[in-house]
Amino acid sequence: SYVLTQPPSVSVAPGQTARITCGGNNIGRKNVHWYQQKPGQAHVLVVHDDSDRPSGIPERFSGSNSGNTATLTISRVDAGDEADYYCQVWDSSSDSWVFGGGTKLTVL
Amino acid sequence: QVQLVQSGAEVKKPGASVKVSCKTSGYSFTSYPIHWVRQAPGQRLEWMGWINAGNGNTKYSQKFQGRVTISRDTSARTAYMELSSLRSEDTAVYYCARELEVTYFDYWGQGTLVTVSS
Repeated sequence: SYVLTQPPSVSVAPGQTARITCGGNNIGRKNVHWYQQKPGQAHVLVVHDDSDRPSGIPERFSGSNSGNTATLTISRVDAGDEADYYCQVWDSSSDSWVFGGGTKLTVL
Repeated sequence: QVQLVQSGAEVKKPGASVKVSCKTSGYSFTSYPIHWVRQAPGQRLEWMGWINAGNGNTKYSQKFQGRVTISRDTSARTAYMELSSLRSEDTAVYYCARELEVTYFDYWGQGTLVTVSS
């Protein structure tokens, strides 16, 4: 089955840019979606279809996808962005949704 | 506003079954599929299956086929996930999520912790 690989953790200072990667074989050919989960809260969709932002999500959140890596970029990071972030794709070969292992973003 | 509110935590013995509910509000229930996803401790999110809330059609992940049943009650605007023959490895937080037009999950429930222990 299709495997998505994320770094377990990313740390960044306030005001800097965080980049969270999601690796997969030819992931550039798939639509990638990103979710944020803060402790005790429901998952929130922050980017869909590689780079589109749902309404209400700040422009600081952006996404890209090419080759074997999709990237969620969070600019001007603040403490409120501390959360776990998950990538997701539809795997047509197994006819199922697949998630990355999640990345814990820490704001130093 | 769209809300998905799940039932409370459960403790079950091995071999038992558990049924988790996902009560929705704020939108036309029958217009959007509902998916179920779980996350065991230290593991990644794992998709279990989904239901077409309109016609009740379901599709399950191969891993859970035969052990999971997803259903819905349109009058109650509620979806259900029942998992049988529970084992310790089924200890996890179970989530429901709404799918937007065969694309992605735009709203999630808060999660339900199911603990399987003798």
